[in-house]
Amino acid sequence: GENVEQHPSTLSVQEGDSAVIKCTYSDSASNYFPWYKQELGKRPQLIIDIRSNVGEKKDQRIAVTLNKTAKHFSLHITETQPEDSAVYFCAASQAAGNKLTFGGGTRVLVKP
Amino acid sequence: GAVVSQHPSWVICKSGTSVKIECRSLDFQATTMFWYRQFPKQSLMLMATSNEGSKATYEQGVEKDKFLINHASLTLSTLTVTSAHPEDSSFYICSARGGTSGSANEQFFGPGTRLTVL
Repeated sequence: GENVEQHPSTLSVQEGDSAVIKCTYSDSASNYFPWYKQELGKRPQLIIDIRSNVGEKKDQRIAVTLNKTAKHFSLHITETQPEDSAVYFCAASQAAGNKLTFGGGTRVLVKP
Repeated sequence: GAVVSQHPSWVICKSGTSVKIECRSLDFQATTMFWYRQFPKQSLMLMATSNEGSKATYEQGVEKDKFLINHASLTLSTLTVTSAHPEDSSFYICSARGGTSGSANEQFFGPGTRLTVL
């Protein structure tokens, strides 16, 4: 089955700096890669996603890049703010079934 | 649109009892629902995929006789934890797909149910 690795597990940045989280996946059949933000005790919230036919996608301060050849994708958050502090999960979905395999998560702390 | 609810939001039960958790899609028909389990400070792990009108597909290592899943309608799936034990204490989150908004692959998550087994 699919295996998704996520790094780093924790990330502390100064407010205004950029944060980068990287994920790798194992199944070349995966074609959908969402990123979720989860606050303590809450549901995961989709913040951005990318499909395999696209190499990069941006939404305001958030961008995601995908390298299908190398099977890795990354989340970039620019101009970080304290409210960006949360746990971020990457995930991968195969073409059939659409079940998500999650990475281990990254706890991001933005220090004011 | 694309709202998913769960009930209850939290439950405390005694060891050996059974607990039922409901997952509802409020404004769309969910042909498929997924059940995840999340232990503290860990990731979401898929337990099973539930398709309306058919038996759920369980992930490897998940006991189908312990975690009973029923998806009797296009808006409701239930997860019953039978003979619960303290190690079953976790955050159980459902998600649903099949909505008309968002991408075809997007899953909409419920708010989660925190189960504590004493």
